[in-house]
Amino acid sequence: AQSVTQLGSHVSVSEGALVLLRCNYSSSVPPYLFWYVQYPNQGLQLLLKYTSAATLVKGINGFEAEFKKSETSFHLTKPSAHMSDAAEYFCAVSVFHGTASKLTFGTGTRLQVTL
Amino acid sequence: ETGVTQTPRHLVMGMTNKKSLKCEQHLGHNAMYWYKQSAKKPLELMFVYSLEERVENNSVPSRFSPECPNSSHLFLHLHTLQPEDSALYLCASSQESVRGDTQYFGPGTRLTVL
Repeated sequence: AQSVTQLGSHVSVSEGALVLLRCNYSSSVPPYLFWYVQYPNQGLQLLLKYTSAATLVKGINGFEAEFKKSETSFHLTKPSAHMSDAAEYFCAVSVFHGTASKLTFGTGTRLQVTL
Repeated sequence: ETGVTQTPRHLVMGMTNKKSLKCEQHLGHNAMYWYKQSAKKPLELMFVYSLEERVENNSVPSRFSPECPNSSHLFLHLHTLQPEDSALYLCASSQESVRGDTQYFGPGTRLTVL
């Protein structure tokens, strides 16, 4: 079965510091991996998506993620945190189950940005 | 309207009420999804529709009844809910229901069952 694990339910960084949110995957086939962000009282917004075209994926708002097969990881990074980055971040893997695809999500990481 | 919209945004209902959640997508997609997001639990897929046909029912209790009259609209009919059903219900859509397809989410309906 395909799954993702997010390490750290809460991460706190200072404004201007590096953001690193961890995601490890388990998959018997080449995975399709996603990062979504959820701001308070809102739905999920796609940050970026890995489809095997390139191992370094650039997303919106200055975020990027690197696919490392040897480490089964897809960590999300941003060089310099802004206050507006405070939100919950979800890693997900796309799974084909039966006759439909679905996203299997990690438990989420809440990012806090302090002055 | 653009993207995926959901109404109402907030809903409070008693255990004996009947209510419906509505989702509409303006992206020309063929697949739609209902997810449940509870506190301290991962997002759970509830239902998948592809070309208006239900293709996945993820062991959801019968008190939740989905309806997809066309590829742009998705409903979730609720009746005799329990307090543990209180959650954020998210609708999503994708071009097709294939592996790797990007899903686009609505803002959600915050449901409180008293």
